[in-house]
Amino acid sequence: DQQVKQNSPSLSVQEGRISILNCDYTNSMFDYFLWYKKYPAEGPTFLISISSIKDKNEDGRFTVFLNKSAKHLSLHIVPSQPGDSAVYFCAASAASGTYKYIFGTGTRLKVLA
Amino acid sequence: GAGVSQTPSNKVTEKGKYVELRCDPISGHTALYWYRQSLGQGPEFLIYFQGTGAADDSGLPNDRFFAVRPEGSVSTLKIQRTERGDSAVYLCASSPSQNSPLHFGNGTRLTVT
Repeated sequence: DQQVKQNSPSLSVQEGRISILNCDYTNSMFDYFLWYKKYPAEGPTFLISISSIKDKNEDGRFTVFLNKSAKHLSLHIVPSQPGDSAVYFCAASAASGTYKYIFGTGTRLKVLA
Repeated sequence: GAGVSQTPSNKVTEKGKYVELRCDPISGHTALYWYRQSLGQGPEFLIYFQGTGAADDSGLPNDRFFAVRPEGSVSTLKIQRTERGDSAVYLCASSPSQNSPLHFGNGTRLTVT
């Protein structure tokens, strides 16, 4: 049972344009969501998070949107840069649980120069 | 400051052997997580420690897998009677408290031949 899903395995975007990465979840108890970026041979690096009490969180070029009714979140990167090329994972946890984070399968973003 | 350190970075072992993977978390981080990542997949939760105790070990696949954190800092993941299906990257992460972003190490790539 995949509780966190990233249905797009890959995405290509032109440099300077917006990248939109999507994530869906099934567990309504999830209340804390994070996005991670991963380069080859490195561990995932934290990018941005959002609590379920908010519907938007912004940090520089990165914005995360949360739609609780649709159980959907998205990461917007604007403007996209070649250095953003990596695999992006969304993750979710439930405060009512044991704080373990469930990860999606990832989306490989390629930003074309 | 120093990040999460995992040793060894690579481990090749024969089927049936015993292996130990070590994780040094960021100093002062009370929460420590082990994940496993197979090719093309997202990190899969194995076990989570809060202090010295395992708060959630529901992700350990079977009784060949065991993890300890005796002094609330360094953790060791132990795998007995390794199988080829255990081949993966084993990721360790720590965080300063529950429901905080995880800081990952670069992982140990385990290959069982």
